[in-house]
Amino acid sequence: AQRVTQPEKLLSVFKGAPVELKCNYSYSGSPELFWYVQYSRQRLQLLLRHISRESIKGFTADLNKGETSFHLKKPFAQEEDSAMYYCALYAGGNEKLTFGTGTRLTIIP
Amino acid sequence: SAVISQKPSRDICQRGTSLTIQCQVDSQVTMMFWYRQQPGQSLTLIATANQGSEATYESGFVIDKFPISRPNLTFSTLTVSNMSPEDSSIYLCSVTASGSTDTQYFGPGTRLTVL
Repeated sequence: AQRVTQPEKLLSVFKGAPVELKCNYSYSGSPELFWYVQYSRQRLQLLLRHISRESIKGFTADLNKGETSFHLKKPFAQEEDSAMYYCALYAGGNEKLTFGTGTRLTIIP
Repeated sequence: SAVISQKPSRDICQRGTSLTIQCQVDSQVTMMFWYRQQPGQSLTLIATANQGSEATYESGFVIDKFPISRPNLTFSTLTVSNMSPEDSSIYLCSVTASGSTDTQYFGPGTRLTVL
């Protein structure tokens, strides 16, 4: 069965500093990986997906199959980045989306 | 993306009662799911709501406790039955849009408190 691990429950970063939220997964096939974000008092929303290879709000994430990782990065943190971030894996077909436990990112002004 | 609404947005219920949560989507969707997010926890999938057939439940969740209906491609309900304080949680509906079976969109959630 697939599994998603986010080792950091809490992460605090100063404004302007680089951000990296870690995500590791275990799955024997070729997964699709996602990052979801939940800002305060807002619904959970898709931030980015690895197959799009896009940058959203300055965030990027590269799928590293060798290390089975999908870390989320941003070179310069902004205060509005403070939120809960969830890494998720989709195994294809009618498989469910498997979420990590989430990382609460706090940007210190 | 799909626009998803949930009713009620929050409720406070007495132990032993039941609450039905509604999920409405503004377009026909392929898949609908129900999640639970307990305080400080990640999202846990309760079940997949299948249109025209019984829902598919995840391990640890049963139909008697969480009956689900999906009468059409835009609407589903989740009932939390015989509630106890341990059922206090946020319940989320999510959907995958037709033609995109991997990306899920989430409703605003229903915050349930059981006394």
